[in-house]
Amino acid sequence: GNSVTQMEGPVTLSEEAFLTINCTYTATGYPSLFWYVQYPGEGLQLLLKATKADDKGSNKGFEATYRKETTSFHLEKGSVQVSDSAVYFCALIPIQAAGNKLTFGGGTRVLVKP
Amino acid sequence: SQTIHQWPATLVQPVGSPLSLECTVEGTSNPNLYWYRQAAGRGLQLLFYSVGIGQISSEVPQNLSASRPQDRQFILSSKKLLLSDSGFYLCAFSPGQGGTDTQYFGPGTRLTVL
Repeated sequence: GNSVTQMEGPVTLSEEAFLTINCTYTATGYPSLFWYVQYPGEGLQLLLKATKADDKGSNKGFEATYRKETTSFHLEKGSVQVSDSAVYFCALIPIQAAGNKLTFGGGTRVLVKP
Repeated sequence: SQTIHQWPATLVQPVGSPLSLECTVEGTSNPNLYWYRQAAGRGLQLLFYSVGIGQISSEVPQNLSASRPQDRQFILSSKKLLLSDSGFYLCAFSPGQGGTDTQYFGPGTRLTVL
């Protein structure tokens, strides 16, 4: 079946540090890949996406590259801010999925300290 | 533009009472609609999804039900709440009519069952 595995948190960083959150997936074919962010007490916001191998999604200084050979979609940001403190979810939609259902990873909590 | 609304934002209910959470979408026709639950400190669980009026797919057998009485309205219900129904409930949609498979989330309803 389809699955997403991401590193468990919490990840604690200082402001301006480099952030990496690892995400690997299992799926047939070429799924669409997503990163969502959830700020405290809020719903999920789409952060970025990629739909084919070697695509790079980017938004708000975050980047992730679709790596088919390693089945990975790691999230990176070069210099984090306190406002980046949130829970980050990696997710996929399998190719030709009924209802375009998302499969989520367990989420990684990130805490950025000033 | 496309928007999604959920209400209420918070709800405290006694065990055994009924539940009705509402979700509406604007700016798109025939969207796919989804209900998720997020228990405290845990990931997201897909409860129901719908690809059209009156079409509901249940992902997890439980104490809850869903209905879609109008194209852009999705309702989550229960006849008798259990303590284990507490959590953060998120509605999401993906645009219909050949649009992207990306899901967009509402602000969520925090339900506490006492």
